[in-house]
Amino acid sequence: GQQLNQSPQSMFIQEGEDVSMNCTSSSIFNTWLWYKQDPGEGPVLLIALYKAGELTSNGRLTAQFGITRKDSFLNISASIPSDVGIYFCAGQERGRGAQKLVFGQGTRLTINP
Amino acid sequence: GAVVSQHPSWVICKSGTSVKIECRSLDFQATTMFWYRQFPKQSLMLMATSNEGSKATYEQGVEKDKFLINHASLTLSTLTVTSAHPEDSSFYICSALSGTNTGELFFGEGSRLTVL
Repeated sequence: GQQLNQSPQSMFIQEGEDVSMNCTSSSIFNTWLWYKQDPGEGPVLLIALYKAGELTSNGRLTAQFGITRKDSFLNISASIPSDVGIYFCAGQERGRGAQKLVFGQGTRLTINP
Repeated sequence: GAVVSQHPSWVICKSGTSVKIECRSLDFQATTMFWYRQFPKQSLMLMATSNEGSKATYEQGVEKDKFLINHASLTLSTLTVTSAHPEDSSFYICSALSGTNTGELFFGEGSRLTVL
């Protein structure tokens, strides 16, 4: 089945640093979503992208839908301790019914105070 | 964002028993809900698509007789793990589609199942 390659798999940064992670696929998606998951919780939607080239911000978070429709990145500026968690990208393929999503492997973010 | 609630958040059961997990959309109607399974330090694996008023659609490799899904109303889907065994222990997460033309899925809090 379709797979998303998400990188990096883990990040260890200092508080205040900026963070960047990305996802790529071998086929075209018509929607990209970014989620954050805390331990023992369900994923929480951060940003949704619907158009190629779209750049969307949500506070300190910025995400872009790649022009080729095969990639997306998420940036976090001025990281704070509550940013710790696992970030997942998710894409919806063109033509797939019922809005099924394909998830990346996740990026685990650890912040040193 | 839309609110999706799961219950119970954790459950411990004996091997051979059945366990039911509920997924509710609290402030919107969801004709479609999804059930995922997540192993430690891994991504979400889609198990099945739950359609209100019709049979669920299962992903390849997921036993439909093992994981019974019922979507009897526009706000409730249930997953029943039948004759549970220790290998069924996992974190189960549901999601619901908000709106008809967007790709925004909202997730429940997850349910951790431990089978002894």
